[in-house]
Amino acid sequence: GQNIDQPTEMTATEGAIVQINCTYQTSGFNGLFWYQQHAGEAPTFLSYNVLDGLEEKGRFSSFLSRSKGYSYLLLKELQMKDSASYLCAGLDSNYQLIWGAGTKLIIKP
Amino acid sequence: EADIYQTPRYLVIGTGKKITLECSQTMGHDKMYWYQQDPGMELHLIHYSYGVNSTEKGDLSSESTVSRIRTEHFPLTLESARPSHTSQYLCASSEGDRHEQFFGPGTRLTVL
Repeated sequence: GQNIDQPTEMTATEGAIVQINCTYQTSGFNGLFWYQQHAGEAPTFLSYNVLDGLEEKGRFSSFLSRSKGYSYLLLKELQMKDSASYLCAGLDSNYQLIWGAGTKLIIKP
Repeated sequence: EADIYQTPRYLVIGTGKKITLECSQTMGHDKMYWYQQDPGMELHLIHYSYGVNSTEKGDLSSESTVSRIRTEHFPLTLESARPSHTSQYLCASSEGDRHEQFFGPGTRLTVL
């Protein structure tokens, strides 16, 4: 079956760094997405990895290891506005997104 | 910036009513999707379309139907709403070989 696993909730301090992990199992693999979703709002795109390695985009970076079925999202210099759910999604062989339940990130002052 | 719109944003209706959730995008994207999401849960694909006159059911069993008569418009219809349909419905679109999906603001449906 297809499955995306990520922690349910994480807490971090403003100004710190946090890493959100995701393991995936999909029928075929065509890339891994990370989305941010604030409470009551729609998901917004953060990153897309299809090759192994680290992709950096400002304060956010995303890493992929295809051999391990593993990805992480790294958030640096945390701000209060980063409090949100972070959704990991794998693109399967049919180019459909398989979504995780999301990691709720709580930022404390 | 993504331009994808959903109406209504909030809807409270009684059991047995027929409703249509509207979704429109102005980006000319060929692919469109409907997802259902309950609080704290993953998105479940209920319908998708790869172009005009093309519609497919997703993984989540649904009593809804969709149509794609125009590229920009992808409405979802519930013939007879039930309390189990209470959820957030998200519409999304993407273009060609770019698999990044752009989401509308969602419709929060409550069926009493």
